[in-house]
Amino acid sequence: AQTVTQSQPEMSVQEAETVTLSCTYDTSESDYYLFWYKQPPSRQMILVIRQEAYKQQNATENRFSVNFQKAAKSFSLKISDSQLGDAAMYFCAYLTGTASKLTFGTGTRLQVTL
Amino acid sequence: EPEVTQTPSHQVTQMGQEVILRCVPISNHLYFYWYRQILGQKVEFLVSFYNNEISEKSEIFDDQFSVERPDGSNFTLKIRSTKLEDSAMYFCASRKTSGNAYDEQFFGPGTRLTVL
Repeated sequence: AQTVTQSQPEMSVQEAETVTLSCTYDTSESDYYLFWYKQPPSRQMILVIRQEAYKQQNATENRFSVNFQKAAKSFSLKISDSQLGDAAMYFCAYLTGTASKLTFGTGTRLQVTL
Repeated sequence: EPEVTQTPSHQVTQMGQEVILRCVPISNHLYFYWYRQILGQKVEFLVSFYNNEISEKSEIFDDQFSVERPDGSNFTLKIRSTKLEDSAMYFCASRKTSGNAYDEQFFGPGTRLTVL
């Protein structure tokens, strides 16, 4: 069974600084996809960034980027120039090509301070 | 911008009662999902639905749960006899299909179910 582990229950970053959220996963599949979702206090899940496992190049979306280390089964999220609106719960998620259900980690609560 | 909607936003029910949670997926989407999140815990997959039948379900999705697409727009989750441990946030999600499960799943705002 696939598992997703987020070892940081809470993180804090100062506004305009950079923070990295960690995620590791376990799978025997070769074809899969990884996602980071943001869940603000409104509780709606919003896709932040995604990565195909077959792509070596790390995905980037504006201030958000990932460090995908396939051999280490690691998928960290880097947030640059952090903003107050980035404060939220962040979930790492995994999806295989053979099924379409998302498997989520336990989440990291990110606080952004002035 | 199209979005997934869910009603009600909060449902309070007595243990043993039936509840129906409603979702309106994005109109051109064909795959539909229910997930749940017990307070303070991770989001868990319940069921996926495609072409008017269940594609996959988790071990959580037992005989007390059912899903239905009663018309062309709604997608419902029914819990026949609620238990205290069913108290959670229930998220509906949908995705269009291009033959690729990688397509983004769009989530609704959730329904908070409280079982007393």
